Amino acid sequence: NAGVMQNPRHLVRRRGQEARLRCSPMKGHSHVYWYRQLPEEGLKFMVYLQKENIIDESGMPKERFSAEFPKEGPSILRIQQVVRGDSAAYFCASSPTSEKLFFGSGTQLSVL
Amino acid sequence: QQQVKQSPQSLIVQKGGISIINCAYENTAFDYFPWYQQFPGKGPALLIAIRPDVSEKKEGRFTISFNKSAKQFSLHIMDSQPGDSATYFCAAKGVWDYKLSFGAGTTVTVRA
Repeated sequence: NAGVMQNPRHLVRRRGQEARLRCSPMKGHSHVYWYRQLPEEGLKFMVYLQKENIIDESGMPKERFSAEFPKEGPSILRIQQVVRGDSAAYFCASSPTSEKLFFGSGTQLSVL
Repeated sequence: QQQVKQSPQSLIVQKGGISIINCAYENTAFDYFPWYQQFPGKGPALLIAIRPDVSEKKEGRFTISFNKSAKQFSLHIMDSQPGDSATYFCAAKGVWDYKLSFGAGTTVTVRA
């Protein structure tokens, strides 16, 4: 059973471009979470999704950020018109129960 | 605001020594307290977890101590090894919630 797969591992964007981060959860996991990690700030919750539904997006900025988890295919975190402050490591986690989280290796986003 | 406060930010311990990381919380509705271990370039991985009905849980060299009245819990790494060098995160979740709130992390360095 493969782990949580995230791609790309590294993503470089210029200010104003769009960033698309992908996450394939572990087989059988219907709960997907996105977290953002900044140095010395730990992991900040962004959004929680189940198939085709956003359950909780309270940690995600209202503007420029969106997430989806379609019936088929990976979960996508989209950041439009990126700014330098969006530079961070973005982690996806999946879970069968919403308790024990399995994390991917993350996408390091760098905004030039 | 940080729902789980973690200290210290970093610590250095000699091989064979004991590493101790502390976390404190305010929300009495929290009922699940995991610890995650993260190596550079990797996502966090669940290390050990505890619920408030027990005061201590041990798995190998890792022990969680839980003090419900003080709203504190700690991770002890006994006989620390260089391979334990990593960042450790405490977290908490309420029975009514489906997302983990993480502490800011502690970077542990074990010197040979």
